[in-house]
Amino acid sequence: NAGVTQTPKFRILKIGQSMTLQCTQDMNHNYMYWYRQDPGMGLKLIYYSVGAGITDKGEVPNGYNVSRSTTEDFPLRLELAAPSQTSVYFCASSFGFNEKLFFGSGTQLSVL
Amino acid sequence: GNSVTQMEGPVTLSEEAFLTINCTYTATGYPSLFWYVQYPGEGLQLLLKATKADDKGSNKGFEATYRKETTSFHLEKGSVQVSDSAVYFCALREAGMLTFGGGTRLMVKP
Repeated sequence: NAGVTQTPKFRILKIGQSMTLQCTQDMNHNYMYWYRQDPGMGLKLIYYSVGAGITDKGEVPNGYNVSRSTTEDFPLRLELAAPSQTSVYFCASSFGFNEKLFFGSGTQLSVL
Repeated sequence: GNSVTQMEGPVTLSEEAFLTINCTYTATGYPSLFWYVQYPGEGLQLLLKATKADDKGSNKGFEATYRKETTSFHLEKGSVQVSDSAVYFCALREAGMLTFGGGTRLMVKP
């Protein structure tokens, strides 16, 4: 059982470049989330989705976009990478609104 | 808004030592409280939880009690092992949304 799978694990971007962080889950979870983790800080919610076709902003959405065309996939898009987006990104999913979250292993992104 | 404050790390202990990681919170209502653990190179995993005042969450020898009067949820373990080395996050959940503390790194030496 794969759970939540994120790719890539590491990436270095130049300022202004764009990229997509991939996230897929095989647990048929309705809810999916993107968090960023900055050093010494707790995880901050970027975007979340309550089901296919439905997304909403979290605490720190600026500079990011998401889509949810299928239940399984929830990609995170960075259009114009900035140094402030250097962080570790975690995707997570849950069956319901107050259910246990399952996390992917993270993507370490550096913008130079 | 809601917030979670944890003691800063790293916390370095010898094997079999007693562990306490402090966590306090601020919330507008009556949140559920959680401890998550992140092992090197992995995502966060739920360690334990408590959903109401005076509840005690426990798992793998770790315990934490929901103290409403002191707005605290301190993590304890009586005898740590090298395999407990990880980063521990305290979190609260209210209206479905999780708020995390900054994390505390625990290093256990043999």
